[in-house]
Amino acid sequence: DAGITQSPRHKVTETGTPVTLRCHQTENHRYMYWYRQDPGHGLRLIHYSYGVKDTDKGEVSDGYSVSRSKTEDFLLTLESATSSQTSVYFCAISEGPGSGNTIYFGEGSWLTVV
Amino acid sequence: DAKTTQPTSMDCAEGRAANLPCNHSTISGNEYVYWYRQIHSQGPQYIIHGLKNNETNEMASLIITEDRKSSTLILPHATLRDTAVYYCIVFFGNEKLTFGTGTRLTIIP
Repeated sequence: DAGITQSPRHKVTETGTPVTLRCHQTENHRYMYWYRQDPGHGLRLIHYSYGVKDTDKGEVSDGYSVSRSKTEDFLLTLESATSSQTSVYFCAISEGPGSGNTIYFGEGSWLTVV
Repeated sequence: DAKTTQPTSMDCAEGRAANLPCNHSTISGNEYVYWYRQIHSQGPQYIIHGLKNNETNEMASLIITEDRKSSTLILPHATLRDTAVYYCIVFFGNEKLTFGTGTRLTIIP
């Protein structure tokens, strides 16, 4: 299994509070991703990073920001959490676009906003 | 990325081969076919991928048609632990990898 650690694995927070989820990898992969998964929607890309300090938006980026100051860490921040951001969040890593590179996923972070 | 079409759900008897189809008629020449699965609410698990040739690994076989417009994932001897949602994805390492809703495979004892 790819060395991906997500923290926290479970969190309950109140509406309006900031929340940061951390993804840590030990594979030295260049690309890192944050997805969310909700019933009936499958996996949707929030943000991704293609290098240190290089990030871009996915399809559901509103309300989220990311940062990557080191190759191994990719942080997802909800500046002011809302109930619509209650979800399961998955981090993923990849060596990047190219001939058949695989994307590997972490085990998920369950976030509940009350 | 090319879109894929998969059946919403399938059943397979335990011990039999599970054959999961996927249509990707708009696939381009450099796009790979990937298969992932997700068990309960765990993170998606990589299974196999291929470009043109059929591929086999310890988990499954991937059969890609000659025109590359469809593929089949084969789990040779399905067990109850293979019950999961299976995703077929085609892409060429595009950063914005997108998943569809997949096929819910249920293995019947």
